[in-house]
Amino acid sequence: QSVLTQPPSASGTPGQGVNISCSGGSSNIGNNYVYWYQQLPGMAPKLLIYRNYQRPSGVPDRFSGSKSGTSASLAIGGLRSEDESDFYCAAWDGSLSAFVFGPGTKVTVL
Amino acid sequence: EVQLVESGGGLVKPGESLRVSCAASGFSFSDAWMSWVRQSPGKGLEWVGRIKAKTDGATTDYTAAVKDRFIISRDDSKGTVFLQMNRLKTEDTAVYYCTTKFNYWGQGTLVVVSS
Repeated sequence: QSVLTQPPSASGTPGQGVNISCSGGSSNIGNNYVYWYQQLPGMAPKLLIYRNYQRPSGVPDRFSGSKSGTSASLAIGGLRSEDESDFYCAAWDGSLSAFVFGPGTKVTVL
Repeated sequence: EVQLVESGGGLVKPGESLRVSCAASGFSFSDAWMSWVRQSPGKGLEWVGRIKAKTDGATTDYTAAVKDRFIISRDDSKGTVFLQMNRLKTEDTAVYYCTTKFNYWGQGTLVVVSS
């Protein structure tokens, strides 16, 4: 059971936008940076967002992150078929002294 | 170019030990904090632990599920980080990824614990 909560699935049609929520607490999201990863089947995770909203070079600006209090969100604009994958939020948890991942959200492009 | 290459995975029996390695190149390894993340078949990502750089004390942190069984160490002269896994359980079966700077990941090495 993860200390971070994500919806198990999200979906949209090509061109639509999708939002994925990540809920935690004061020991993780509330006082630490949030990271978002995308994982395609059979591949290693890829960093999409770091430090709440920063994008590594090469990540399209269709992906954006935000944080408010003990929750964070990943917004995907202009859905494409290649976005169909699993998305994970993550943060350091000061109470656990551990980096924690959310359970993941599977995004389906209809 | 940053490269992380894991090796050493395989099939072991419950209770046995296994050491996996991650050879790093393309960045200043001695300054980097190195982490291990695992993924059981069909499941999500689970952070295993990390080792800080020597300049930060080379201290380690672990997730509760592996504390007292797993040990992370590093050899800066070889640019390699190790994950020593002891008293393995079937639930430790997973692909083990080496990662650094949140951004760089290896391809993973599969560890199967089964009798």
